[in-house]
Amino acid sequence: KNQVEQSPQSLIILEGKNCTLQCNYTVSPFSNLRWYKQDTGRGPVSLTIMTFSENTKSNGRYTATLDADTKQSSLHITASQLSDSASYICVVSAGPGTYKYIFGTGTRLKVLA
Amino acid sequence: EAQVTQNPRYLITVTGKKLTVTCSQNMNHEYMSWYRQDPGLGLRQIYYSMNVEVTDKGDVPEGYKVSRKEKRNFPLILESPSPNQTSLYFCASSLISRGGRYEKLFFGSGTQLSVL
Repeated sequence: KNQVEQSPQSLIILEGKNCTLQCNYTVSPFSNLRWYKQDTGRGPVSLTIMTFSENTKSNGRYTATLDADTKQSSLHITASQLSDSASYICVVSAGPGTYKYIFGTGTRLKVLA
Repeated sequence: EAQVTQNPRYLITVTGKKLTVTCSQNMNHEYMSWYRQDPGLGLRQIYYSMNVEVTDKGDVPEGYKVSRKEKRNFPLILESPSPNQTSLYFCASSLISRGGRYEKLFFGSGTQLSVL
């Protein structure tokens, strides 16, 4: 069964600190992996997209890594800001040419001043 | 401004009363889809469309209908809503991925539906 699991479920950090969110997936065949940021009450917003041949991709203070062999990805946030408080969702696309997306349940991040 | 627009933002209805949630995008995207988001669960795909008059079922299509008569619009129809369809709904769109380049999904702001 295609699944995407994220950890931790929630996380609280102080402003200015770094953090890393984890994503493990069992999706086959694998096409690409995406990270989204979802503010409370809003739609998800794309942060990164990676294919199996890419093992790192950055978007400002967000850096995603992908290990296609172990089927793991991480999202590292550097020098966190209050505005980083949101849910971060890992999404895996199943198979080339298909538009089936399997969503993780997200990690809820709270950044405190 | 490039965007996906959903309406209404909030909707309260009663069991069995037909309703439509509208979705419109102004980016000339071929692909459009509907998702529902429930507490403790990831977003789940309801229906998707690859282009005008081309639609297909996602993972949870029961109780929903869609149509794609125009490229920009993709309404979600609940013919006879039931309480288990109470959820947060999102519409999304993107260009079709070509040549190994994967396109971003753009999401609307969501529609919170309550069926009493």
